[in-house]
Amino acid sequence: AQSVAQPEDQVNVAEGNPLTVKCTYSVSGNPYLFWYVQYPNRGLQFLLKYITGDNLVKGSYGFEAEFNKSQTSFHLKKPSALVSDSALYFCAVRPKNNFNKFYFGSGTKLNVKP
Amino acid sequence: DTAVSQTPKYLVTQMGNDKSIKCEQNLGHDTMYWYKQDSKKFLKIMFSYNNKELIINETVPNRFSPKSPDKAHLNLHINSLELGDSAVYFCASSQTMSFEETQYFGPGTRLLVL
Repeated sequence: AQSVAQPEDQVNVAEGNPLTVKCTYSVSGNPYLFWYVQYPNRGLQFLLKYITGDNLVKGSYGFEAEFNKSQTSFHLKKPSALVSDSALYFCAVRPKNNFNKFYFGSGTKLNVKP
Repeated sequence: DTAVSQTPKYLVTQMGNDKSIKCEQNLGHDTMYWYKQDSKKFLKIMFSYNNKELIINETVPNRFSPKSPDKAHLNLHINSLELGDSAVYFCASSQTMSFEETQYFGPGTRLLVL
């Protein structure tokens, strides 16, 4: 079965430290990969996506993600976390062969402490 | 200006009732979607709609029916509401039907069925 895994329900980091939110996927072909962020009581906001090309993708608010084809991973990173980064982060994968399939991970809650 | 808006924001209703959720996007996008987010924050696509072409997710009960009066609107009608329908429903839109398109989400409608 095709799926997206975010192995950590929660990630805690101190402000100013680097952060990583992990995502691995099991989707056939070379799917498109996305990261979204959800703030409390809000809809999802797009952060970045990997379509093709350079494996390191840069997105909004200083976030970046690294695509690793051999490990089927797309981890989200930021060099220096801010308290305002605290939110729920979703990895999403879209296969290229079915328009109505858009697989989301279960979400990782990021807590950045001052 | 809100790019993707939904009404109502909150909806509390009794089992067996019929209700509708409205969605409007002012981005000029061709494609709209409905998602369901359950209590565990798991997000699942329900429908995709593009230029009057409806792509149904086969796992969605036929009590759910999307209706699009025009390209900027995609409403969700739910018949005979059940307890398990309680969730947050998100509308989203994208410029085109292309797989790599970024989706823009509305703020969500929190439905509680009693």
